[in-house]
Amino acid sequence: AQSVTQPDIHITVSEGASLELRCNYSYGATPYLFWYVQSPGQGLQLLLKYFSGDTLVQGIKGFEAEFKRSQSSFNLRKPSVHWSDAAEYFCAVGAYNNNDMRFGAGTRLTVKP
Amino acid sequence: KAGVTQTPRYLIKTRGQQVTLSCSPISGHRSVSWYQQTPGQGLQFLFEYFSETQRNKGNFPGRFSGRQFSNSRSEMNVSTLELGDSALYLCASSFEQPPGEQYFGPGTRLTVT
Repeated sequence: AQSVTQPDIHITVSEGASLELRCNYSYGATPYLFWYVQSPGQGLQLLLKYFSGDTLVQGIKGFEAEFKRSQSSFNLRKPSVHWSDAAEYFCAVGAYNNNDMRFGAGTRLTVKP
Repeated sequence: KAGVTQTPRYLIKTRGQQVTLSCSPISGHRSVSWYQQTPGQGLQFLFEYFSETQRNKGNFPGRFSGRQFSNSRSEMNVSTLELGDSALYLCASSFEQPPGEQYFGPGTRLTVT
């Protein structure tokens, strides 16, 4: 079965600084990769997804992620963080024809003014 | 288009009781998945329904069950509640074949006392 590791439990960045959240996956076949964001008391919102094709994918809110098969990684990046980006971010991996998505433990992002 | 709705949003139950949670997917979406989110275990997949059939099931005891109706609305039921069932239960719907882009509801916060 697929699995996901998010090595960073909590990250603090200053507003305007760049951001990179790490995600490593384990899956024997071509993975379907997702990044979601969750604000306190809310459900999850999809930021971006990778199924195939260009390994650099653009998402909403200025986020992007790069799929690196050789490193089994799908890191999320943003060039300039805004205070409203403070939330919890989840990386997830899915398998073909299976909605049993596996989520990482999440990375909580704090944005300093 | 209305998003995924879940009712109730908050629920307090006593150990040993049973509970039913409801999820209405986005119009046109036929796949509904359920997840349990706890601080200790994170996001865990419960089960997925498509066209009234359960297609996938996570590693949860038989006390957790679900169903889907012909209009794609779904319910999940937890019988003989335990303290450890306290969690945020999230429902997600998708249109495509899995692993499709999932849209999450705000969740039902269940507290078992």
